[in-house]
Amino acid sequence: KQEVTQIPAALSVPEGENLVLNCSFTDSAIYNLQWFRQDPGKGLTSLLLIQSSQREQTSGRLNASLDKSSGRSTLYIAASQPGDSATYLCAVGMDSSYKLIFGSGTRLLVRP
Amino acid sequence: GAGVSQTPSNKVTEKGKYVELRCDPISGHTALYWYRQSLGQGPEFLIYFQGTGAADDSGLPNDRFFAVRPEGSVSTLKIQRTERGDSAVYLCASSFEYLGNTEAFFGQGTRLTVV
Repeated sequence: KQEVTQIPAALSVPEGENLVLNCSFTDSAIYNLQWFRQDPGKGLTSLLLIQSSQREQTSGRLNASLDKSSGRSTLYIAASQPGDSATYLCAVGMDSSYKLIFGSGTRLLVRP
Repeated sequence: GAGVSQTPSNKVTEKGKYVELRCDPISGHTALYWYRQSLGQGPEFLIYFQGTGAADDSGLPNDRFFAVRPEGSVSTLKIQRTERGDSAVYLCASSFEYLGNTEAFFGQGTRLTVV
C-alpha cells in the first residue's frame, strides 16, 4: 500500500530564505507526483505536476524534483515571501486517473 | 462556471441525520473526484466518476456513504445516519483528462460538522 510522508510537518523561516520541503513515498511505481498549496479554509491549488518519466519541473520561484528509485521528491522555494505562507501537500498518482494519495502536508510560515 | 463550485460551504448537522453535499464541476470536465480531509491530514480519496458512472468507489468508508452523478455533470455526495467521525472537509475536484496530463482543479470544499 502506497504511503506518502512529508517532512517537516511545520516550518517557520524569515522572509528571503531559500527552503526545501521533502516528500517520500514507499512504492516507486508511481504514474506522477504533484505538489499543491492549500490556504486556510480553501481548496487545493496545483503548483507543479511531474510525470514519472520526468526529473523536475519549474514554475517561477518553485522547482520540484523527482527521484523515483529512491521514492523522494523535493519542492524548492527560492527567495521566500510572506505570501508563500500556506500548507504544501505532496500527492502521488498510481495511474492516469486523479485518484491521488496525499501526504499530511508541511505548514509553512514565512515571517516578514 | 469559472471553477469547481461546492455547496454548502459549511454544514452543521446532528448525529444520525442525512446530509447531501453538492459539487458543480468545471464545464466540460468529464472526470469528477470526491476527497475527504480531516483536520491536520491530507485529503483521502473517496470516489471517482468518469461521466455518469462511478469508475472507482473504493475509498468510500462504508455503506452510509453514496455519491451520484446522474447527468455526467453535477455530483451529490450523500451521507446517511451521520456520525461525529464524519466531521471533515469534503473536497471535490474535476478534470478534463487527456493522455499524459491529469491536472485537476479543486473546489473550496464543504466543511461538515456533526454534533
